[in-house]
Amino acid sequence: QKEVEQNSGPLSVPEGAIASLNCTYSDRGSQSFFWYRQYSGKSPELIMFIYSNGDKEDGRFTAQLNKASQYVSLLIRDSQPSDSATYLCAVIISGNQFYFGTGTSLTVIP
Amino acid sequence: KAGVTQTPRYLIKTRGQQVTLSCSPISGHRSVSWYQQTPGQGLQFLFEYFSETQRNKGNFPGRFSGRQFSNSRSEMNVSTLELGDSALYLCASSWGGLPPPSGANVLTFGAGSRLTVL
Repeated sequence: QKEVEQNSGPLSVPEGAIASLNCTYSDRGSQSFFWYRQYSGKSPELIMFIYSNGDKEDGRFTAQLNKASQYVSLLIRDSQPSDSATYLCAVIISGNQFYFGTGTSLTVIP
Repeated sequence: KAGVTQTPRYLIKTRGQQVTLSCSPISGHRSVSWYQQTPGQGLQFLFEYFSETQRNKGNFPGRFSGRQFSNSRSEMNVSTLELGDSALYLCASSWGGLPPPSGANVLTFGAGSRLTVL
């Protein structure tokens, strides 16, 4: 079983809708959880991180963490065509080693 | 402040050759991690260096090696290149220590070095 699993998509949503991206992780000892966005041909860039159960909001983005279910999600409100990218979920299990999912491709349709 | 700098950005090699990639981290960051990214495999962890010591290592053959210098700059080397080594190689830096000052050791990526092996 992989440490981090994501639905590869592609996920398509209309402009203005809410995009919901999901990620599960296998190790209950996972400590910190990250969402990165990667545009085609570019390197990943951090959207946000979360390490406590519950929700964390930053502008149009909300990360949700449920440690009991080993589940972390990212909601993008009012989706824009510029949000079209691959979204990578990552976790730190111990120390400073990150484990990345394979990413979910999101397309926002104008 | 300056971001993570990787050189070279693009390079073409032939099978059997070796290649060295360089990464300069964000000032103050002591941890440098290397990843290989291919379309089918996603981001694969190669290794992490912290204070000149390899702290974590992924499941890559010994042809892949790295090092870190006292100024935290890092290099990775791939010897005896194979066609399957064609990929985007990403370097990422982070503060690396515990506890992290911002609540989490955030990775900041460089632009990557795209290697093509012919």
